[in-house]
Amino acid sequence: QVQLVQSGAEVKKPGASVKVSCKASGYTFTSYGISWVRQAPGQGLEWMGWISAYNGNTNYAQKLQGRVTMTTDTSTSTAYMELRSLRSDDTAVYYCARDDDGYKASLYYYYGMDVWGQGTTVTVSS
Amino acid sequence: DIQMTQSPSSLSASVGDRVTITCRASQGIRNDLGWYQQKPGKAPKRLIYAASSLQSGVPSRFSGSGSGTEFTLTISSLQPEDFATYYCLQHNSYPQTFGQGTKVEIK
Repeated sequence: QVQLVQSGAEVKKPGASVKVSCKASGYTFTSYGISWVRQAPGQGLEWMGWISAYNGNTNYAQKLQGRVTMTTDTSTSTAYMELRSLRSDDTAVYYCARDDDGYKASLYYYYGMDVWGQGTTVTVSS
Repeated sequence: DIQMTQSPSSLSASVGDRVTITCRASQGIRNDLGWYQQKPGKAPKRLIYAASSLQSGVPSRFSGSGSGTEFTLTISSLQPEDFATYYCLQHNSYPQTFGQGTKVEIK
């Protein structure tokens, strides 16, 4: 079955960096993109960005531009999200999710995110 | 950015009740909308995609409707396992944006 398994919880000091991994299984990794979403404690969901596992193209949320980098390693079917210059308001659960897209009768479709990882808690504290 | 206004922010309902949650988009998004259920400490789970298509494995008491700027998630007969927070997500354009969430609580 399709599964995304994320790396474990992290505790970081302000100004540090964190890199979260998301290992995919049960499907052809390069056929789907990966989105990243975060959720601060007690808050709603925030889209962070997207990466194509096919060609590495990315699209990041404006507020994170310059601090976030998303990459993939197709040899291990793993996606990564690195966030730099961490602040206390980056404390959140970070999720990866597979993008549900493809072609039907030669027409491209995109249905948003279908399968999600279990989440990785990142705590930023001095 | 497209703003998604979700209402209500919370509601109390009883088992067996019909529940309706609404999302309004600040501009037309065709049917590029999904609905997600999130339980405490768990990742979101997709219920509906393309505004009205039921995700495989999701009970038929969940349904979605709408197009353009107005969308609705309906639970026809609320079950104990449905108490959770629900979010809409527009994926018509970047950045993708979520509604603020609706917490469904036991009355």
